[in-house]
Amino acid sequence: DQQVKQNSPSLSVQEGRISILNCDYTNSMFDYFLWYKKYPAEGPTFLISISSIKDKNEDGRFTVFLNKSAKHLSLHIVPSQPGDSAVYFCAASAIIQGAQKLVFGQGTRLTINP
Amino acid sequence: ETGVTQSPTHLIKTRGQQVTLRCSSQSGHNTVSWYQQALGQGPQFIFQYYREEENGRGNFPPRFSGLQFPNYSSELNVNALELDDSALYLCASSPSSGISYNEQFFGPGTRLTVL
Repeated sequence: DQQVKQNSPSLSVQEGRISILNCDYTNSMFDYFLWYKKYPAEGPTFLISISSIKDKNEDGRFTVFLNKSAKHLSLHIVPSQPGDSAVYFCAASAIIQGAQKLVFGQGTRLTINP
Repeated sequence: ETGVTQSPTHLIKTRGQQVTLRCSSQSGHNTVSWYQQALGQGPQFIFQYYREEENGRGNFPPRFSGLQFPNYSSELNVNALELDDSALYLCASSPSSGISYNEQFFGPGTRLTVL
């Protein structure tokens, strides 16, 4: 069962515009959410996170929104830049049997067009 | 500050063989987690090590095992390799407490191909 879902495999956005990446989850035990960015041949790079007690966290061009009632989070990138082109993974964290486990979505490939 | 490193970068094995992958955690991080990322999928949690003991396990068979050493580095061992074990294996480290407790930092991964 897929507890974290990213329903858009790909997204194309014009440079300078806003990119919005979406993520849905099903397990209410998740208490922390993270976004990672991945370039080919590299490991995922931590981007931004949010605790389940908040509904928004902002870091420069990146903002993450959390809607707990809808079990939905989104990542906003504004303005989008060509260097933002990568695969973005949403991850949800929970302590399960003593381990802090991250459950990842399938990823969304973001392409920023000049 | 040194980030997470993994070795080797690439590895080719044949079905039935055994493999050992290595990971050095980021400076100051005492918890190491291993993930398997199949093509086109997100990383899947294999297990986590803290204080040299397995601290939790995902849905992987016992032929996936690991170790953590006193310097917090770690190994992932896979016995009796199967074709479906072909994937990118990622190691992530995190501190056990503090503001970054929930944030895991990943290495570049080891690409394993099983023929």
